Amino acid sequence: NAGVMQNPRHLVRRRGQEARLRCSPMKGHSHVYWYRQLPEEGLKFMVYLQKENIIDESGMPKERFSAEFPKEGPSILRIQQVVRGDSAAYFCASSSTGNYGYTFGSGTRLTVV
Amino acid sequence: AQTVTQSQPEMSVQEAETVTLSCTYDTSESDYYLFWYKQPPSRQMILVIRQEAYKQQNATENRFSVNFQKAAKSFSLKISDSQLGDAAMYFCAYRRSGGGADGLTFGKGTHLIIQP
Repeated sequence: NAGVMQNPRHLVRRRGQEARLRCSPMKGHSHVYWYRQLPEEGLKFMVYLQKENIIDESGMPKERFSAEFPKEGPSILRIQQVVRGDSAAYFCASSSTGNYGYTFGSGTRLTVV
Repeated sequence: AQTVTQSQPEMSVQEAETVTLSCTYDTSESDYYLFWYKQPPSRQMILVIRQEAYKQQNATENRFSVNFQKAAKSFSLKISDSQLGDAAMYFCAYRRSGGGADGLTFGKGTHLIIQP
């Protein structure tokens, strides 16, 4: 069991470009969560998805950010027209029942230059 | 909204000693889950221990144990016989129970330093 796989591990984008972060949940897990960690901060919830559905996006910025979890393939967190303030570590977690335990990936560190 | 507070930005302990990390939370829910996560420099978030609010017994995992005080909304982590590999950021987290599986609410973390 490969665990939660996130790629890339590091991503550098220039201001105005698009960033695409990928997350493959653990085998058998159908719930995916995205979190953002700013320097010296804890993780902040962004969005919760099940296959083909966004369940809770209360933590997502209203503009430029979107997430999907298609029937086939990984979950994608997309940030359009990135700005310096988007620089952070983005973590994905998955769970099987939606309750109780989560497994986290190793995160993607996005740097906007 | 739920909040989680970790009042100790940094703690230091001698190897083999015991250290307690503090966490308080605020919620109006009666049923929920509490977690401690460890984040070493590798950045991986590792689950250390978890507690269901409806369970009165404090959770224990080897050298890690919690002191869960529901009335006081306190959830401290005790690490016994500290080892160099315990050095990391430690995050307390809250999640309400029930369907829908809301995300976790994290505290800002405590940086644990182990002195050899």
